[in-house]
Amino acid sequence: QQPVQSPQAVILREGEDAVINCSSSKALYSVHWYRQKHGEAPVFLMILLKGGEQKGHEKISASFNEKKQQSSLYLTASQLSYSGTYFCGTSRGQGYNDMRFGAGTRLTVKP
Amino acid sequence: KAGVTQTPRYLIKTRGQQVTLSCSPISGHRSVSWYQQTPGQGLQFLFEYFSETQRNKGNFPGRFSGRQFSNSRSEMNVSTLELGDSALYLCASSLEGTGHNEQFFGPGTRLTVL
Repeated sequence: QQPVQSPQAVILREGEDAVINCSSSKALYSVHWYRQKHGEAPVFLMILLKGGEQKGHEKISASFNEKKQQSSLYLTASQLSYSGTYFCGTSRGQGYNDMRFGAGTRLTVKP
Repeated sequence: KAGVTQTPRYLIKTRGQQVTLSCSPISGHRSVSWYQQTPGQGLQFLFEYFSETQRNKGNFPGRFSGRQFSNSRSEMNVSTLELGDSALYLCASSLEGTGHNEQFFGPGTRLTVL
């Protein structure tokens, strides 16, 4: 089952903050975050693992609430380069690589 | 290190035809996943291959198939094309495919079915 992302779209001014949420009806082992710019392939941002381990982008932070089966991506002091569509992805569990992605959150940063 | 490559980048086919797409993963990566991306359905998981074996499969009809070779290169085949198969097909490679390795996406193959 695909995770659910919110909001669907957000428009910011440079320097503003944004939070993108990702929730699942099933227990999560890991949550992946990717950003896709128009006409380009998705690019890895971060992985959050059950137990608290994180791997990824230094300037972007995220949280993973295992009990609530939710993850949030925090974009602070947004830059024009942050514009794109953000996807969260989840897999069945450890050892599985059947990534299901949410519908995406379109982020637009304006000057 | 070279990234994930996909060929061809663009393809136009007619209904009923079949098509084969190719993906070369990053050197050393053993897992290759395929996705279909459309404006309406987003990124949909097709299947994943690891060491020449299909390990995981999404909810797509049997017209969609794939394989992986001993050098980890992968191909995806769609038979009896339908208009709804028009999409961007992305492949992604990862080191081990355990679910806690990042996936590296290729540029995609844009398939148009007329």
